[in-house]
Order: sequence, then C-alpha cells, then structure tokens
Amino acid sequence: EPEVTQTPSHQVTQMGQEVILRCVPISNHLYFYWYRQILGQKVEFLVSFYNNEISEKSEIFDDQFSVERPDGSNFTLKIRSTKLEDSAMYFCASNLGLEQYFGPGTRLTVT
Amino acid sequence: AQSVTQPDIHITVSEGASLELRCNYSYGATPYLFWYVQSPGQGLQLLLKYFSGDTLVQGIKGFEAEFKRSQSSFNLRKPSVHWSDAAEYFCAVGHREGGKLIFGQGTELSVKP
Repeated sequence: EPEVTQTPSHQVTQMGQEVILRCVPISNHLYFYWYRQILGQKVEFLVSFYNNEISEKSEIFDDQFSVERPDGSNFTLKIRSTKLEDSAMYFCASNLGLEQYFGPGTRLTVT
Repeated sequence: AQSVTQPDIHITVSEGASLELRCNYSYGATPYLFWYVQSPGQGLQLLLKYFSGDTLVQGIKGFEAEFKRSQSSFNLRKPSVHWSDAAEYFCAVGHREGGKLIFGQGTELSVKP
C-alpha cells in the first residue's frame, strides 16, 4: 500500500540554524500539507500546497517558513532560523480527494 | 470559527470493556469527519471517516463512529477494547476537498488488564 514517507525521523539543530524537512507524498496525490504537533498538544495545520503553490496557510506559517516541491516527488518544509518553540513533531500529509494520509513525522528538537 | 472539542483528556478502561470517545465540532455546514489514532512516537493512522450517507460508519480495528447532526457529535465506539488499543485518539474535521483538517486536543486511552 502506498504511503507518505518523511526524512529524517529525528533532527536536532541549534537555535538560529536552518532546517529542511523532507517528505515524499503518495505519487498520484494532488494536495500536500504540513502539520505540527508540539509535545502534549494537538496537531496544528501549517500549510497546504496545490498545483505548485500554497493554497492555504495558518498564522503559524510566518516568513520563517517556506515550502517547496523541487521535483516530481519531494515536498519540503524549510525553517530559516529555528527557535526553541519550533521544537515539535512535523507531519507531512497528502490527499487525492477528501482523505488525508499522514507520514510518520519528523521530530525536530531545537537546542 | 471551526473547532473540535474532545472533552475527555484521558480515559482508562478495562480490557474487554466497551469504549466511547466523545467528539463535538463547531461548523456551519456538514463537515467531513475523521478519527485518527496515534501510538507513542508514531504517526497518525486513519481509523474511520464520514463524508455523507449512513451516519454510522465502520472503521478498522473494530471501531465505529456515529455522526449526529443534531448534537454536532461524532463519537467513536468499540464494543470490546484490547490492550493494543492503548493510544491517543484524535477527532478531526475538514470542510472541503483539499482543505485543512482541524484537530481536537486528543484523548489518551489507557487499557488496564
């Protein structure tokens, strides 16, 4: 069964550093998403991407964040200058219709 | 604004007992409703979904949920809980194809022998 994959599974970075989280969505899906989950809290929507552009973003998704689909398979989330409060689990998701399929997540730890 | 409420933060049930996890949503139109399960350190696995039609939906692992429009609820049920069901359960709402999902706070389920 096709699945969404994410790399790395865990990333540790220092405050102020740039990080890129990578995702490979399911191949025939059209919509791609990033969500995050701060430890012990609910899953929060960050951004959705369709037809090579952002279709919706939350207030969390400020100028420090960007997304890109550099080729036909990868979907990336970049955080330009990480802050302590960016520490969270980041989930990528994709869908074709109404149902979103989530990847296993990348745990980002900012020290 | 759309919102999802899961009133129970933590529930403990005995193995073999029945389970009901509550979910209430706030949204003007008929939403698309989902239940996801998250085991420790794992991603989100879809248990079941409601888009339209029969308001009682069946999912994986023996779970079912019932959409009640009058109560704005989508409660998750299982007649007999297994120890492996211990996990965090999230209710989520969407409103259009391609749109974002809004998640509840989650309910942590513990199962005692």
